[in-house]
Amino acid sequence: EAGVTQFPSHSVIEKGQTVTLRCDPISGHDNLYWYRRVMGKEIKFLLHFVKESKQDESGMPNNRFLAERTGGTYSTLKVQPAELEDSGVYFCASSRWAGGHSGNTIYFGEGSWLTVV
Amino acid sequence: GQQVMQIPQYQHVQEGEDFTTYCNSSTTLSNIQWYKQRPGGHPVFLIQLVKSGEVKKQKRLTFQFGEAKKNSSLHITATQTTDVGTYFCEGAGSYQLTFGKGTKLSVIP
Repeated sequence: EAGVTQFPSHSVIEKGQTVTLRCDPISGHDNLYWYRRVMGKEIKFLLHFVKESKQDESGMPNNRFLAERTGGTYSTLKVQPAELEDSGVYFCASSRWAGGHSGNTIYFGEGSWLTVV
Repeated sequence: GQQVMQIPQYQHVQEGEDFTTYCNSSTTLSNIQWYKQRPGGHPVFLIQLVKSGEVKKQKRLTFQFGEAKKNSSLHITATQTTDVGTYFCEGAGSYQLTFGKGTKLSVIP
């Protein structure tokens, strides 16, 4: 089966511009997660969708970040306006079962590298 | 591109037995991170290894980074039921970060 795909793989934008990252989870996966990895630091959770609903968005840094998941399929993460500190790698991940199913396996995408200059 | 292979995919152990998961990268890494994900939870950062041949310990967990900085291992001594979860490695190369597929550990009481 196809894995989690993310687009774009790399993006360089100027401070103040807008960037939209897209994630296509594995087909049939209810859970979709966004994470961010600022260089030199560990990965940080941003938010979690269960189907089209935001289950947990406690990791979103501020209101410049907006995540959506249309129809419970793909998701977008928009940063507007981008700031220098938003640079990093944004990972998307998905897993099949909602809830704390012990059989859940989380699959990561290859990440979207964002550089804000 | 950089690929990180993690084995085994699954491991079932009796409580008290040891457990090891391995990550091998197709390219030399700058550093490697290890994470643990409990069932239903998020990956939680465990440790970062940076130096060639580095060995770090956290209680019953021992992390190693190979001399060539292309492989790493996580070893748990005398597993406990609280060790259940999926262990991921994340390799950092030149402008590339790659997660292993994880090793799911089950501990039988």
